[in-house]
Amino acid sequence: QVQLQQSGPGLVKPSQTLSLTCGISGDSVSSYSAAWNWIRQSPSRGLEWLGRTYYRSKWNNDYAFSVKSRITIKPDTSKNQFSLQLNSLSPEDTAVYYCARGHYYFDYWGQGTLVTVSS
Amino acid sequence: SYELTQPPSVPVSPGQTASIACSGDKLGNKYTYWYQQRPGQSPVLVIYEDNKRPSGIPERFSGSNSGNTATLTISGAQAMDEADYYCQTWDGSTFVFGTGTKVTVL
Repeated sequence: QVQLQQSGPGLVKPSQTLSLTCGISGDSVSSYSAAWNWIRQSPSRGLEWLGRTYYRSKWNNDYAFSVKSRITIKPDTSKNQFSLQLNSLSPEDTAVYYCARGHYYFDYWGQGTLVTVSS
Repeated sequence: SYELTQPPSVPVSPGQTASIACSGDKLGNKYTYWYQQRPGQSPVLVIYEDNKRPSGIPERFSGSNSGNTATLTISGAQAMDEADYYCQTWDGSTFVFGTGTKVTVL
């Protein structure tokens, strides 16, 4: 059974950087059949896919156009986890952030982290 | 950008059938996926590749997809099915989620 465990702060100041981590059990971040995603949800934007990392002979990343200039998703093979960094935060980035496994759809999700951007 | 539109709410009486539509341009040419989200919980996949049920999802959940509309059907709705439901597709470069439908069992 795959489980995803999220960690990271719930309050971030405007203009600063959000850092979240997703620990994986029951699968490998280096799996050839999986991709590892970050998704957020807010009342104003609904569910919004942010980006993913996956390994296919080399590491690959895909990012949503809306955040492409501000986002980095990285794998950590030594800890079997992956991370999200989103910089230059504004109040519009306030949302519940989820990590999820999947290449065309998402079959396992983390528990969610409410991130509030406020001074 | 590609968009998926759902009705905001669908009421259903216990034991009756609820149908949730998801509309998008030529959606029938893509796979559609459906998620159930109960209050305060993470989404759960209930249908993948238009009409397949993951292990553990009850048979009362079914899906179809043709033309511009995909449909999630809950046959014999139960109180535990009260939740928000989201459709999702992959448009070749990004994931797109629907606007969400609140199913109320009353």
